[in-house]
Amino acid sequence: SQKIEQNSEALNIQEGKTATLTCNYTNYSPAYLQWYRQDPGRGPVFLLLIRENEKEKRKERLKVTFDTTLKQSLFHITASQPADSATYLCALARDDKIIFGKGTRLHILP
Amino acid sequence: EPEVTQTPSHQVTQMGQEVILRCVPISNHLYFYWYRQILGQKVEFLVSFYNNEISEKSEIFDDQFSVERPDGSNFTLKIRSTKLEDSAMYFCASSEALQGVYGYTFGSGTRLTVV
Repeated sequence: SQKIEQNSEALNIQEGKTATLTCNYTNYSPAYLQWYRQDPGRGPVFLLLIRENEKEKRKERLKVTFDTTLKQSLFHITASQPADSATYLCALARDDKIIFGKGTRLHILP
Repeated sequence: EPEVTQTPSHQVTQMGQEVILRCVPISNHLYFYWYRQILGQKVEFLVSFYNNEISEKSEIFDDQFSVERPDGSNFTLKIRSTKLEDSAMYFCASSEALQGVYGYTFGSGTRLTVV
């Protein structure tokens, strides 16, 4: 069955550094992949979508890459700030829905 | 910025009781979803809804669950006879395109506590 793995449950990064989060998937080749941010007690918030024919997508300090050969997406936050602390979710479209990974809790340390 | 609105924000119910969770999706969106998140676990798909019918449902979405779009704006999730294990955050989402090509917009959720 479809599996989405996000590399670590929690990641601590010093303020100002680049945070890199990993999403790996198996048994499926999605047409595109999405990244969401979730704060405690809140719903996921859509950040970026990258299509299978795109290698890289940028939005302000965010950058996403998509390697369909490795079945992997990397999510980067450059010049990280304490306000970037949250859980980041990778999601794949499948049939009439998207399915989420468990997420990586990112802590940006001042 | 358009929002998905969910009510109530918190619902406490006795085991075996029926609950209805309400959502107002974004007005020009055509696709509607319910997801749930048990504390500390991942966001899980329950059901998708398009053109006034269910387009897909998960194994979790058994006969105890139903969805309805009773008018042009509301989208509801009913749990007929709640169990302790139904305690979770329930999120409604909507999208303007199939498979969320422009992303899904989620509501802030309803925290359901079954006692």
